Amino acid sequence: QLQLQESGPRLVKPSETLSLTCTVSGGSISSSSYYWGWIRQPPGKGLEWIGSIYYSGSTYYNPSLKSRVTVSVESSKNQFSLKLSSVTAADTAVYYCARRRGTWYFDLWGRGTLVTVSS
Amino acid sequence: QSALTQPASVSGSPGQSITISCTGTSSDVGGYNYVSWYQQHPGKAPKLMIYEVSNRPSGVSNRFSGSKSGNTASLTISGLQAEDEADYYCSSYTSSSTLDAIFGGGTKLTVL
Repeated sequence: QLQLQESGPRLVKPSETLSLTCTVSGGSISSSSYYWGWIRQPPGKGLEWIGSIYYSGSTYYNPSLKSRVTVSVESSKNQFSLKLSSVTAADTAVYYCARRRGTWYFDLWGRGTLVTVSS
Repeated sequence: QSALTQPASVSGSPGQSITISCTGTSSDVGGYNYVSWYQQHPGKAPKLMIYEVSNRPSGVSNRFSGSKSGNTASLTISGLQAEDEADYYCSSYTSSSTLDAIFGGGTKLTVL
């Protein structure tokens, strides 16, 4: 049973970089059938796609965040990561990692982790 | 990258059927059969309910069905149950900008 788990600091100061890692267990991140993505949800608001990565390293980013986002994959550790720079209070959200299928749907999700941006 | 348009809320009584709409453009919903729907209970991660417009993942009740007409996709829940009360989000592939997925704003379903 494949599972995803987010990890990283829960509190980040304004202007700093938010860093999260998603660990994939029960299956390989290097499968050619899947992409891996990050989605966030500000408190009380809807879902926002942040970015996706293929195991080969090809990346896709939300244009509204593209200048601040980096998604990378570390196949040897079965992990992929998110970095979001120059954060503000508006970046406070629950961050989810998820597995994305080739026809653009997310079939498996992590539990999510709340990241708060505050001094 | 504009979000897909969903009604903020819908409601229905147990046993009834409800439909949630999701309106996009020819660059997303209308142009491709890559619409998916997610159910989210409070404090929980979203759960995939429908993919590729009308396909149900294994384990999802056949009370949930999806369809599409033009630029609008729909999720129908028949035989409403109390456990269906949740937020529902649609998503679609988009050919604009970065060639990936966009979400709707979400619909709160209340079972009366």
